[in-house]
Amino acid sequence: DTAVSQTPKYLVTQMGNDKSIKCEQNLGHDTMYWYKQDSKKFLKIMFSYNNKELIINETVPNRFSPKSPDKAHLNLHINSLELGDSAVYFCASSLWGIANEQFFGPGTRLTVL
Amino acid sequence: EDQVTQSPEALRLQEGESSSLNCSYTVSGLRGLFWYRQDPGKGPEFLFTLYSAGEEKEKERLKATLTKKESFLHITAPKPEDSATYLCAVQAGPEAGNMLTFGGGTRLMVKP
Repeated sequence: DTAVSQTPKYLVTQMGNDKSIKCEQNLGHDTMYWYKQDSKKFLKIMFSYNNKELIINETVPNRFSPKSPDKAHLNLHINSLELGDSAVYFCASSLWGIANEQFFGPGTRLTVL
Repeated sequence: EDQVTQSPEALRLQEGESSSLNCSYTVSGLRGLFWYRQDPGKGPEFLFTLYSAGEEKEKERLKATLTKKESFLHITAPKPEDSATYLCAVQAGPEAGNMLTFGGGTRLMVKP
């Protein structure tokens, strides 16, 4: 009964490839997020979706394209992968509203060679 | 721009040795300050939300407090299983949507 799940857990790929990370939540939340955690462990917001609509896009290159087929899913597609994209990507979900806690998935470690 | 700074970056304690972690923030219109715990290879796990200065919350050996400029996470008589990275985050005013701005974390190591 995992609350927020992500696949795959690990992703190793070559520069220039296109890859996707999938996220699903079974908490009944209406808002989902993608965060990037770099090698220095800083967590930074990338995207926020509320009811399948994009709310925040924090100056992320347009090689990154999130897609939300429904409220329970938010996938991240990355085109033309670069070395600097190597990081851990976390999906999270919450209810929309003031200071509602966000629940995080286990993360996907992306390594670009 | 919202900023969150955590100190120290790393903290080594002996089992039973109480201490505090600091989270300093500057934000326009604080909606909430969050504390998370992150174990290696896992996603952040929610601990507390604080909404206004003067508020305190407790959970087992952890107690979080909030002022207008900073938050403290007090750890009383820590055990080795409290070893983790503790993350602080703020949620700002309505223009920011539900976005969280995180600090760099404090890596806590508790030795038996």
